[in-house]
Amino acid sequence: GAGVSQSPRYKVTKRGQDVALRCDPISGHVSLYWYRQALGQGPEFLTYFNYEAQQDKSGLPNDRFSAERPEGSISTLTIQRTEQRDSAMYRCASSSLSGAEGEKLFFGSGTQLSVL
Amino acid sequence: GQQVMQIPQYQHVQEGEDFTTYCNSSTTLSNIQWYKQRPGGHPVFLIQLVKSGEVKKQKRLTFQFGEAKKNSSLHITATQTTDVGTYFCAGKRGSGNTGKLIFGQGTTLQVKP
Repeated sequence: GAGVSQSPRYKVTKRGQDVALRCDPISGHVSLYWYRQALGQGPEFLTYFNYEAQQDKSGLPNDRFSAERPEGSISTLTIQRTEQRDSAMYRCASSSLSGAEGEKLFFGSGTQLSVL
Repeated sequence: GQQVMQIPQYQHVQEGEDFTTYCNSSTTLSNIQWYKQRPGGHPVFLIQLVKSGEVKKQKRLTFQFGEAKKNSSLHITATQTTDVGTYFCAGKRGSGNTGKLIFGQGTTLQVKP
């Protein structure tokens, strides 16, 4: 596709349910990042992949959060047993790591998660 | 861990006035990037600085990277209402395909016409 695609755009769930957020990066992009952004704050790093390898997951808040990118393209961020404090905008970004665009991040529109 | 701090958090200016936001890292960075996020939108890349002391200009925007590669600034000359938004710096320690990009808290710019 032309840009980074995230789905769903909005997700409302009840506390205790599991959710899976999907990111489809720009075709051919090597790096894929997950960030969480609270209202009025900067994107908070969660984890990132190069190809299918998870390079750094130090930003994942706890073991309820996990991410995968099994074929080096689409990625899924899963939150188990959701809590109200997980409510936020979850943003995905991808980067080519080559050519003129280098390490520039292209962001998707995000998934707004609300945990009731 | 690595932290990137930005000041001020908010800035209100009259159209035509200048604006500056500052970014400081607790560690030396391999590069720094700047993004702009319009209200309701997502961050959009503006520029990347790599070299110590580097200065880059984009029309009315001037970006600087400090000599020690720990700080950066974005200066907008003669602001316009189209400049409204939140400006984020993002620092990286690794180079190439290593290292994560850490964002500052952002500076939100409001411009009064």
